[in-house]
Amino acid sequence: NAGVTQTPKFRILKIGQSMTLQCTQDMNHNYMYWYRQDPGMGLKLIYYSVGAGITDKGEVPNGYNVSRSTTEDFPLRLELAAPSQTSVYFCASSHLGGGNTEAFFGQGTRLTVV
Amino acid sequence: QKEVEQDPGPLSVPEGAIVSLNCTYSNSAFQYFMWYRQYSRKGPELLMYTYSSGNKEDGRFTAQVDKSSKYISLFIRDSQPSDSATYLCATGAGNQFYFGTGTSLTVIP
Repeated sequence: NAGVTQTPKFRILKIGQSMTLQCTQDMNHNYMYWYRQDPGMGLKLIYYSVGAGITDKGEVPNGYNVSRSTTEDFPLRLELAAPSQTSVYFCASSHLGGGNTEAFFGQGTRLTVV
Repeated sequence: QKEVEQDPGPLSVPEGAIVSLNCTYSNSAFQYFMWYRQYSRKGPELLMYTYSSGNKEDGRFTAQVDKSSKYISLFIRDSQPSDSATYLCATGAGNQFYFGTGTSLTVIP
């Protein structure tokens, strides 16, 4: 009963370093999403994917990249980490697009850039 | 105008109280509405979802949607300390979901 799994749970990066946040889901969902959550700011959509091989930008894509080579996996890459990317990152998935179904979330990755 | 507006609180109530959490949304095309509960340092957990105007009940929780006024509510009866969390409303259209900023609730024993 795994659902959406994110790794790592915590990470500290130095400015300019790069890393990949991993996300995998076992519900065979077509749609996957990456959000960041900052205190008092709610969830902001970074990127989303409607299926393998298809990705699109959300509200705050700058500084991030994604790929979707399989239905299960949707990694998020930070190429040159900046302090502004300190946040909690959540991956989510849904069977259909927004407005037709509910989304399920992972437990989050807490990232600090110093 | 944001797609979804939610009073951030914080809200503090005594144990056993009835809690009312509210959101408004901007787009009459939104048809599917959700409430998520988020404990500190955890991911949002789906609490309830509904398609239609009216009430949907699940145990101590009732979700209410008024599409004419674009207003959604979550009522918690007999609130418990374990209900202390942040509650996010959400809706969606097309390929995206839209979330409120969350209301922080504390239930005092």
